[in-house]
Amino acid sequence: TQLLEQSPQFLSIQEGENLTVYCNSSSVFSSLQWYRQEPGEGPVLLVTVVTGGEVKKLKRLTFQFGDARKDSSLHITAAQPGDTGLYLCARGGAGGTSYGKLTFGQGTILTVHP
Amino acid sequence: DVKVTQSSRYLVKRTGEKVFLECVQDMDHENMFWYRQDPGLGLRLIYFSYDVKMKEKGDIPEGYSVSREKKERFSLILESASTNQTSMYLCASSLGQASSGNTIYFGEGSWLTVV
Repeated sequence: TQLLEQSPQFLSIQEGENLTVYCNSSSVFSSLQWYRQEPGEGPVLLVTVVTGGEVKKLKRLTFQFGDARKDSSLHITAAQPGDTGLYLCARGGAGGTSYGKLTFGQGTILTVHP
Repeated sequence: DVKVTQSSRYLVKRTGEKVFLECVQDMDHENMFWYRQDPGLGLRLIYFSYDVKMKEKGDIPEGYSVSREKKERFSLILESASTNQTSMYLCASSLGQASSGNTIYFGEGSWLTVV
């Protein structure tokens, strides 16, 4: 199994601060997805990036895919308490028989205090 | 909206019991998955299925089996539950490959405690 290293594992910040979560691997990704999971719920897809160097924005969230497609970052601007949750990165399979299965990072638990 | 429904949210079972976790999706997706989620380990794939009666092992299949008799239903079976199988179990489904940008939809999870 090709591992995804996600950092930091825990993040506790005040409302209004900015933060960045990182997702790294020693091998190339075919695609990279970011999920957010709230307590008691399943993960919900935020974004998929497939092209090296790609940047996608979702309101205050900015997702970047590294040029070499081995790393990705999620940046949140002016965090709000509603951003609190578990953020997971996941890499797609190599195609062919992967049938859409994903390999997940360990997750980053974000707590935004009012 | 796509819906992935897991039949049991919370279960408590005894060591050695046979446990069935049921999952149903309503979007005619070919692919279905069972993951378990543990603190600090993220989600780990147990089994997945890409068609009726087809199944493939994921990263941690030991101690588990699955059944896909109908396209919409994917069951996870613990033949003889053990305490190290206490976890949150997540079912998911998708239409195609994640590398193609297809979305994977997750259920709300089933919390299993084995005592």
